[in-house]
Amino acid sequence: SAVISQKPSRDICQRGTSLTIQCQVDSQVTMMFWYRQQPGQSLTLIATANQGSEATYESGFVIDKFPISRPNLTFSTLTVSNMSPEDSSIYLCSVTVATGRETQYFGPGTRLLVL
Amino acid sequence: SQQGEEDPQALSIQEGENATMNCSYKTSINNLQWYRQNSGRGLVHLILIRSNEREKHSGRLRVTLDTSKKSSSLLITASRAADTASYFCATDAGGGNKLTFGTGTQLKVEL
Repeated sequence: SAVISQKPSRDICQRGTSLTIQCQVDSQVTMMFWYRQQPGQSLTLIATANQGSEATYESGFVIDKFPISRPNLTFSTLTVSNMSPEDSSIYLCSVTVATGRETQYFGPGTRLLVL
Repeated sequence: SQQGEEDPQALSIQEGENATMNCSYKTSINNLQWYRQNSGRGLVHLILIRSNEREKHSGRLRVTLDTSKKSSSLLITASRAADTASYFCATDAGGGNKLTFGTGTQLKVEL
């Protein structure tokens, strides 16, 4: 498995501002992902964070709104840009630990409220 | 949307009873995973079942998979108050380990 931490754990932000969320893993991992969970809803995949290259975004998500970095095998950031109240969600990162190992492990999440 | 459906949406039982949750999905899959989420926090991985498996056990958990019906069930036996949580199924259809989550079942286990 993997121990995953996220910072911040929660934040309250004003509309029009941006917030960067960090995801740190205690060991090198193969895949890193970012998910969004809107209030009372299930999880939706935002993108796959690729080490050393641009992230791969899912339909409905764009780089200008959700820029992602992954400079190495243990760390990734997700920025929520130009926020609006509709961005209020829990943002979670997840990882797979080895090629061929399909289990995904999730971080504790970042709870974001946009006013 | 490729999101799967889970039923029931909510389930309330007494401690000691069994809880069964069902998940249906739409596409062919490589594997299906079940997760637990307590009070909007991070997800805890419970069990993974591959497309060539029909049943899997882990402690008090029993998962079945019927690929012909595109459905899975999670059975929690002898439930405890600590099992109170939301339970999600998630399918991996192949191509990069990307997961598609079901709508979730909110389980409440009362003393």
